[in-house]
Amino acid sequence: NAGVMQNPRHLVRRRGQEARLRCSPMKGHSHVYWYRQLPEEGLKFMVYLQKENIIDESGMPKERFSAEFPKEGPSILRIQQVVRGDSAAYFCASSPQGGLAHEQYFGPGTRLTVT
Amino acid sequence: DAKTTQPTSMDCAEGRAANLPCNHSTISGNEYVYWYRQIHSQGPQYIIHGLKNNETNEMASLIITEDRKSSTLILPHATLRDTAVYYCIVRIPPYSGGSNYKLTFGKGTLLTVNP
Repeated sequence: NAGVMQNPRHLVRRRGQEARLRCSPMKGHSHVYWYRQLPEEGLKFMVYLQKENIIDESGMPKERFSAEFPKEGPSILRIQQVVRGDSAAYFCASSPQGGLAHEQYFGPGTRLTVT
Repeated sequence: DAKTTQPTSMDCAEGRAANLPCNHSTISGNEYVYWYRQIHSQGPQYIIHGLKNNETNEMASLIITEDRKSSTLILPHATLRDTAVYYCIVRIPPYSGGSNYKLTFGKGTLLTVNP
């Protein structure tokens, strides 16, 4: 059973460009979470999605950031008009449906560098 | 979620047991204790969780005090690959009625296993 997949692993964008980060959850998992880790800091929750629904986006910046988890395909975290402060590691996690959601399984992350 | 306190760093000799403490004096009756770790440049990895009984799995053991105000993660035979930041997290899991799905990571304990 493949783990959580994230791509790209490394992404370089110039200021003002758009960044698209993709996350494929583990097989059978319908819950996806995005976290951000700024340099030398801990992970911070951004958003929690189920298929076609955003459940909790309390950690998302109010502007430029959006997330989706369509019926088909991976979850996408989109950052528009990137700025240097967006440089960070972005981790996706997934969990099974319902009462087995004790643990979240994390992907290897996407390291975004804004130049 | 209850706040946790962990030492900033610890050292352990290879092959010896690593005992990582966590204080969670304000934990409520339905909050679980979770442990994750993050090896450098990788995504966090779930280790173990428990409510009030001691737990053991193939990775580690979790000892929770009777009053539940603190716990200890034990890696019985630490290897160099166990060098990582270890996070103690307290929360009510979603299936128990918790509405806070996110994991709140503090600064954790940097465990360095020395040869």
